[in-house]
Amino acid sequence: ILNVEQSPQSLHVQEGDSTNFTCSFPSSNFYALHWYRWETAKSPEALFVMTLNGDEKKKGRISATLNTKEGYSYLYIKGSQPEDSATYLCASARGGSSNTGKLIFGQGTTLQVKP
Amino acid sequence: SQTIHQWPATLVQPVGSPLSLECTVEGTSNPNLYWYRQAAGRGLQLLFYSVGIGQISSEVPQNLSASRPQDRQFILSSKKLLLSDSGFYLCAWNPGTVYEQYFGPGTRLTVT
Repeated sequence: ILNVEQSPQSLHVQEGDSTNFTCSFPSSNFYALHWYRWETAKSPEALFVMTLNGDEKKKGRISATLNTKEGYSYLYIKGSQPEDSATYLCASARGGSSNTGKLIFGQGTTLQVKP
Repeated sequence: SQTIHQWPATLVQPVGSPLSLECTVEGTSNPNLYWYRQAAGRGLQLLFYSVGIGQISSEVPQNLSASRPQDRQFILSSKKLLLSDSGFYLCAWNPGTVYEQYFGPGTRLTVT
């Protein structure tokens, strides 16, 4: 994988459902993996920054895992609520990025939670 | 604390007109600065980044240019807008690390 890819592109779930999405990224020269939550016409909000293989992070009902050897990260939302509706972006930083801080973003997964 | 400002918030411009979007960061010095665009139905694309005054790197060939006239000011420009320049433009900064990145409120540009 040369780019950052996210799946699915969009997701519709009912309130209370748990859901998860995938971010695939280049595993070579890995530095960091970011997850953002992005609501329309607002700034992306940082959720997690993950750096170590096997990392697991949690923030309320949202959690994420990281596998740097195979180049993927999962984002989980437990008991989805309508206010979780947003686009979830992941971004990868690779070798060569250390002095530029450059991130490569995936296309995002757009989540719609129906009440 | 650090804050990032972008203006204008929304802009409607005719095809062929010039463009200037401004981004400023407060509360830090020598930040790395970035311009991103989200075109309709597409993901977030990095357009330009800057690691210092006058230092601009372009990620994709396009109708746009960027400048950094001051340490905490980043400007996105075009001499003649195209319809395809429509989108949501985000400015971002970090303190020279890959472990943080902070976004501005964005500018919605519609080219008619």
